[in-house]
Amino acid sequence: DQQVKQNSPSLSVQEGRISILNCDYTNSMFDYFLWYKKYPAEGPTFLISISSIKDKNEDGRFTVFLNKSAKHLSLHIVPSQPGDSAVYFCAAEISGYALNFGKGTSLLVTP
Amino acid sequence: EAGVAQSPRYKIIEKRQSVAFWCNPISGHATLYWYQQILGQGPKLLIQFQNNGVVDDSQLPKDRFSAERLKGVDSTLKIQPAKLEDSAVYLCASSPDRSRYNEQFFGPGTRLTVL
Repeated sequence: DQQVKQNSPSLSVQEGRISILNCDYTNSMFDYFLWYKKYPAEGPTFLISISSIKDKNEDGRFTVFLNKSAKHLSLHIVPSQPGDSAVYFCAAEISGYALNFGKGTSLLVTP
Repeated sequence: EAGVAQSPRYKIIEKRQSVAFWCNPISGHATLYWYQQILGQGPKLLIQFQNNGVVDDSQLPKDRFSAERLKGVDSTLKIQPAKLEDSAVYLCASSPDRSRYNEQFFGPGTRLTVL
């Protein structure tokens, strides 16, 4: 039973534009949400996170938005760069326990 | 700071054979996780350790999979006997402890192919 869903398997964006990656979850007990970035043949790398008491967290070009009533979060990358091309995983947890991952969205940023 | 180390990076075996994976977490990290990532899917937790005790192994197929974390540092994951559907990347991750809001740090993974 997939508790974290990323419904877009892939996304293509031009360099300099905004990339928006979406994620939905079903378990209202989740209290911490993370985005991981993964390059081929490497393990996932932590990118940004947000706790359930916030609705926005910013780190440089990356911003995560959380809408608890809709059980939806999104990752905004502005401006997008070719080096951002990777698979992005949304993950959620009940704090202290394992991460529940989505299936990932493959982002391609074209020059 | 050294990251999470895993070996081997790749392994090819035939079904019904046995295989073992090794993980060395980041120094001082109390919590260690093993995930299985099947192609096209996100990582799925197999087992979580806090020091050398098991916190969650509810999704570990215990008839064929086993894991241990002796002395609360390194960990090994074993599959015996392997099935075709075990072909996946096995990821090890660690975090400082189980307190709130700890991100997990992942190793590069071991890609297992079962023929």
